[in-house]
Amino acid sequence: AQSVTQPDIHITVSEGASLELRCNYSYGATPYLFWYVQSPGQGLQLLLKYFSGDTLVQGIKGFEAEFKRSQSSFNLRKPSVHWSDAAEYFCAVGTGGGNKLTFGTGTQLKVEL
Amino acid sequence: DAGITQSPRHKVTETGTPVTLRCHQTENHRYMYWYRQDPGHGLRLIHYSYGVKDTDKGEVSDGYSVSRSKTEDFLLTLESATSSQTSVYFCAIRVGNNDGYTFGSGTRLTVV
Repeated sequence: AQSVTQPDIHITVSEGASLELRCNYSYGATPYLFWYVQSPGQGLQLLLKYFSGDTLVQGIKGFEAEFKRSQSSFNLRKPSVHWSDAAEYFCAVGTGGGNKLTFGTGTQLKVEL
Repeated sequence: DAGITQSPRHKVTETGTPVTLRCHQTENHRYMYWYRQDPGHGLRLIHYSYGVKDTDKGEVSDGYSVSRSKTEDFLLTLESATSSQTSVYFCAIRVGNNDGYTFGSGTRLTVV
């Protein structure tokens, strides 16, 4: 069965600083990988996804993520964080075709002005 | 965007009572899912459906049942609510083969 680990429960960064959120997955086959963001009281919004091809994927809101098979990682990055990026971020891994997604426990991002 | 609506948005119920949450989509997407979200656990799959009358269990299905009699509606029922089922419940639909999910706005359920 697949699983996802997000080792950082909380992260605080200053506005304008760079950001990296870690995600490690366990899955026997080629993974389908996703990052979602959740603002307080809201549902989840898809930031970006990876299925195959270029291991560096671009998403919305200036986010990108890099798939590293050797490290079983799919870390999310942003060069310069904005105060509006404060939210909870979830990494997820899907089975073939994305039929079922397994989510990590999330990383809460706080942005200091 | 795929239209997905959850109802109710908030509910408080007493232990032992039955509760049904509704998820409605405006397009004919085949796959629908129910997740619960709890602090420290992220989102965990309760049940999912891959067509009318076709459903299967997720990792935390005990105490829950689902039904899908129409493509557009996926119902989650707590037969006898317990305090451990206090949670935020999210419905999701899969809009394409490789497109991840689109989520509803959630239902906050409190069992007292």
